[in-house]
Amino acid sequence: GAGVSQTPSNKVTEKGKYVELRCDPISGHTALYWYRQSLGQGPEFLIYFQGTGAADDSGLPNDRFFAVRPEGSVSTLKIQRTERGDSAVYLCASSLTGHEQYFGPGTRLTVT
Amino acid sequence: GIQVEQSPPDLILQEGANSTLRCNFSDSVNNLQWFHQNPWGQLINLFYIPSGTKQNGRLSATTVATERYSLLYISSSQTTDSGVYFCAVGRIRDDKIIFGKGTRLHILP
Repeated sequence: GAGVSQTPSNKVTEKGKYVELRCDPISGHTALYWYRQSLGQGPEFLIYFQGTGAADDSGLPNDRFFAVRPEGSVSTLKIQRTERGDSAVYLCASSLTGHEQYFGPGTRLTVT
Repeated sequence: GIQVEQSPPDLILQEGANSTLRCNFSDSVNNLQWFHQNPWGQLINLFYIPSGTKQNGRLSATTVATERYSLLYISSSQTTDSGVYFCAVGRIRDDKIIFGKGTRLHILP
C-alpha cells in the first residue's frame, strides 16, 4: 500500500501568516507523529497522536503550534503568526502502536 | 529526558571499506530504530531493533539494551551509502521517539 504522504512538499509564507501542513498516514496505523528538522540536526519530536487524541504534545514549542487528527487518520499541523525561526522541514510518521515508525517525505516550510 | 549520542559525527571512507556507527542512550528503551536519510531528505527505515542482532544484506545492527548501546555495521561501502544515519529511541514509559544528531557518512568513489 501507499506510504505516508505529506502536502504540500514546499511552502513559502510571509512572517505573521497562518499555515497548515497535512499528513496522510499509512492506512490502519493508529499512531501518528510530527517532527521538525532544522538544517544539520536530527528530527525533533513535536506531538504524538494515538487515534484521535494527542497522547503527548510536550514537544510543541509554543501555543502558536497546534495539531489535530479529528477522525484518527489524516492530521493537520497548524502554525499561527509564523516566524522566521519556524522555517524547517516538518516530518510526519505513522506506526502501529509500539512498532517501527515510517516517515513521509516532509514539508519544507520557509518563512520570509 | 533521554539522551541519545551518536558517534562518530562525521565519517569519510573509500568505497569498499567497512564502518561501524554507534548509538548510546541514557535510559531503558523499548524501541530503537536506525534510519538512513538520503540526500533528498527522505528517512529510510533500516532496522527496528530494540534488542538483539539483525542483518539485511551489507548492513547489520546489534543492540545491547542492558548496556544501552546499539551498533550499525556497513560492509563493502558503496557511494549510495552516503548520507546521514540516525538512531532513534523510545523509552519504556512513553511513546515518543528521540533522535540522535546523526552520523554523516561520505563514501568516496
